Amino acid sequence: NAGVTQTPKFQVLKTGQSMTLQCAQDMNHNSMYWYRQDPGMGLRLIYYSASEGTTDKGEVPNGYNVSRLNKREFSLRLESAAPSQTSVYFCASSFTEVEDTQYFGPGTRLTVL
Amino acid sequence: GQQLNQSPQSMFIQEGEDVSMNCTSSSIFNTWLWYKQDPGEGPVLLIALYKAGELTSNGRLTAQFGITRKDSFLNISASIPSDVGIYFCAGSMEYGNKLVFGAGTILRVKS
Repeated sequence: NAGVTQTPKFQVLKTGQSMTLQCAQDMNHNSMYWYRQDPGMGLRLIYYSASEGTTDKGEVPNGYNVSRLNKREFSLRLESAAPSQTSVYFCASSFTEVEDTQYFGPGTRLTVL
Repeated sequence: GQQLNQSPQSMFIQEGEDVSMNCTSSSIFNTWLWYKQDPGEGPVLLIALYKAGELTSNGRLTAQFGITRKDSFLNISASIPSDVGIYFCAGSMEYGNKLVFGAGTILRVKS
């Protein structure tokens, strides 16, 4: 089992460019999450998907869109990147939304110039 | 916004010392989780707590779910260099609700 995988590991964008961060899990989990991590602020939830076919906004959704492509994959899209979106992005999954124990991927470090 | 206060923000200790960190909230939590994040990696779950008063150990780590359900602490005994990293508390106020994370405690160990 690879657990939760994320691609790419690093990315540099110019302001206004778009990109999609990919996440996949092989643990047969139903729920998946996208967080961003900024210094001194812990992890903040961007979007989550309680189950295949559903997505909901988290604490900081502005500037992002998500797609739950299938049970395994949950992607995060930046349509027009801004410097404020420079951050480390983590994908996580849990068996169900009720099961609070979440398992995290290795992260994507994004810099927007 | 963030609802968990985690302290201390950072610690620089001597190898072999015990470490204690805690998380408090003004809200009642039903679940407390403690994660560790190594540099360049994602957070890894250390201990999960589901009942008020619960005390759980994982090797040299011990965590407790506070009786008031508004706090939790993590102790690390006899620290070693590989304990270095950022420790996060996380909590859930309702079953099926989202996790809220503390800002993290940065631990450095001097050998």
